[in-house]
Amino acid sequence: GAGVSQSPRYKVAKRGQDVALRCDPISGHVSLFWYQQALGQGPEFLTYFQNEAQLDKSGLPSDRFFAERPEGSVSTLKIQRTQQEDSAVYLCASSSLPGQGNTEAFFGQGTRLTVV
Amino acid sequence: RKEVEQDPGPFNVPEGATVAFNCTYSNSASQSFFWYRQDCRKEPKLLMSVYSSGNEDGRFTAQLNRASQYISLLIRDSKLSDSATYLCVVSPSGGYNKLIFGAGTRLAVHP
Repeated sequence: GAGVSQSPRYKVAKRGQDVALRCDPISGHVSLFWYQQALGQGPEFLTYFQNEAQLDKSGLPSDRFFAERPEGSVSTLKIQRTQQEDSAVYLCASSSLPGQGNTEAFFGQGTRLTVV
Repeated sequence: RKEVEQDPGPFNVPEGATVAFNCTYSNSASQSFFWYRQDCRKEPKLLMSVYSSGNEDGRFTAQLNRASQYISLLIRDSKLSDSATYLCVVSPSGGYNKLIFGAGTRLAVHP
């Protein structure tokens, strides 16, 4: 399809396990964002990529969180040694750059992570 | 204090009612403003951008007051399909559209 695709849709991890969440942005979108949405809250910014460069990682909650986008398209968010407080929906969004047409951010359906 | 504050609701209204949501933001340097809609267990989707001059899209009207750092959304003639969470969103100045979300206001429209 033409939208943002995330996988897996659901992930159950045991506490202490490492997880990797994948995002396929819309083809040609330079900007890619990761957000974390806890139950009953709005999405919270985690990190931003412009092509393969990670320009803002100010929202990553700890050094257990790591994101990459090595070829400027697909991105992976990795969480090491998962904790119960990491349970949330992880949303990926992509957009064009400001000044390069419509800059609306399109979101994927998210990965629902449950740490048990 | 959160950067974007919204009344969490829920707002329970009958079909045909007019309902208004309000939102305040703390960063006076914020540059862009939006309302997003999020259905249960779905991703957020852009409802409309918000401009200082106010803007309307069918039954939806959005207003921005930069001096008061206040954003509003008015929904007229509510439909059952309007039931969702409405997220107030601001974007700080800068070269990319990082989005700062409020916690959302839940709307339930009943017959």
